[in-house]
Amino acid sequence: EVQLVESGGGLAQPGRSLRLSCAASGFTFIDYAMHWVRQPPGKGLEWVAAISGNSGSIGYADSVRGRFTISRDNARNSLYLQMNSLRAEDTALYYCAKEVDWSLDHWGQGTLVTVSS
Amino acid sequence: EIVLTQSPGTLSLSPGERATLSCRASQSVSRSYLAWYQQKPGQAPRLLIYGVSSRATGIPDRFSGSGSGTDFTLTISRLEPEDFAVYYCQHYGSSVTFGGGTKVESK
Repeated sequence: EVQLVESGGGLAQPGRSLRLSCAASGFTFIDYAMHWVRQPPGKGLEWVAAISGNSGSIGYADSVRGRFTISRDNARNSLYLQMNSLRAEDTALYYCAKEVDWSLDHWGQGTLVTVSS
Repeated sequence: EIVLTQSPGTLSLSPGERATLSCRASQSVSRSYLAWYQQKPGQAPRLLIYGVSSRATGIPDRFSGSGSGTDFTLTISRLEPEDFAVYYCQHYGSSVTFGGGTKVESK
């Protein structure tokens, strides 16, 4: 059974940093691209970043490019999101998701990031 | 970047009725790259349809997807109580984009 478990969320002041993690199990991690998607409270889904299985291809939404860094450790079956220079508008539930056939077929339950002074 | 516009914003229907949800892209997209998700309150999104019309594993056949070019549709043939939720379309291109969502609520 595929499982994705996010962690690392919490309260951060504007301008500070947080690092999110996603522990994956139940599939061959290196074979799949992985994504981060966020959802502000009461709002819709916003794609954040993606990384290919071998980390050779990485993409970011314009809203986070230059501030966020996606990475993965295939030996640890883990996905990460380093978030720097946090803003109030980064407040959201952050999901990690597994990609297959140009879609996201498994999602974690999310970790909440709140940016506030 | 392709923009996806979903309509209507809210659909009020009764169990047993047919639901038709629309997703319009700002430019023509490849069929392979259009997907639909269902999200219930307090839950993560669930993949329903990928490649415009292929049902994901375990998705009942009352859910179907269709369309091409810029206009895509998710149809729920007969609404079950568990189908009342928010539905999102998604495109995978140079980046990934989601539509704003359609809420299907019980009348």
